[in-house]
Amino acid sequence: DADVTQTPRNRITKTGKRIMLECSQTKGHDRMYWYRQDPGLGLRLIYYSFDVKDINKGEISDGYSVSRQAQAKFSLSLESAIPNQTALYFCATSGMTEGGDTQYFGPGTRLTVL
Amino acid sequence: AQSVTQLGSHVSVSEGALVLLRCNYSSSVPPYLFWYVQYPNQGLQLLLKYTSAATLVKGINGFEAEFKKSETSFHLTKPSAHMSDAAEYFCAVSNSGGSNYKLTFGKGTLLTVNP
Repeated sequence: DADVTQTPRNRITKTGKRIMLECSQTKGHDRMYWYRQDPGLGLRLIYYSFDVKDINKGEISDGYSVSRQAQAKFSLSLESAIPNQTALYFCATSGMTEGGDTQYFGPGTRLTVL
Repeated sequence: AQSVTQLGSHVSVSEGALVLLRCNYSSSVPPYLFWYVQYPNQGLQLLLKYTSAATLVKGINGFEAEFKKSETSFHLTKPSAHMSDAAEYFCAVSNSGGSNYKLTFGKGTLLTVNP
């Protein structure tokens, strides 16, 4: 079984709809992250959480919100989806390892907003 | 502040040829550096990482990278390309130590391998 799972894997929705993307991990990591990937722009950080009570905005948090329901679950919401939020969304987790911090990524959710 | 620049959004090589993907970083503190690979329709997979130990880092699938502080570079190489290496590659930087474990990614380099 995958260590980091994301649901749904694909979603098509309409402008103005509320959407929730979910992420679960079995790695026992404290830190979780949400990124979006756009062609030619790489990955950009939306939100991150270092533990259940800690939520932080990334570089592109406008239009998004998150919820850390448990150590293993971190959800991303689009309150009112708009077409320029069409992108590939990745969840990642990390925990302290010897000498540094490595992030492990889920398979991604492809979101299309019409 | 930290940033990553990947030179060349698209690199094309022949099978068996040397692969060289370039990454330069900017960081106000000693960095940790990472290379990730993304195969089509998949998530990102860690290839290798530099965390202030050996400057020449060996990763999976025959890839390696060398940290050069004087050049602020962390270029990724593989002596002989294989068709299965075709993917998008991302360089990333984070701050070592402290409480900041956020990664900053480059924009990616798409590697094409021609038969």
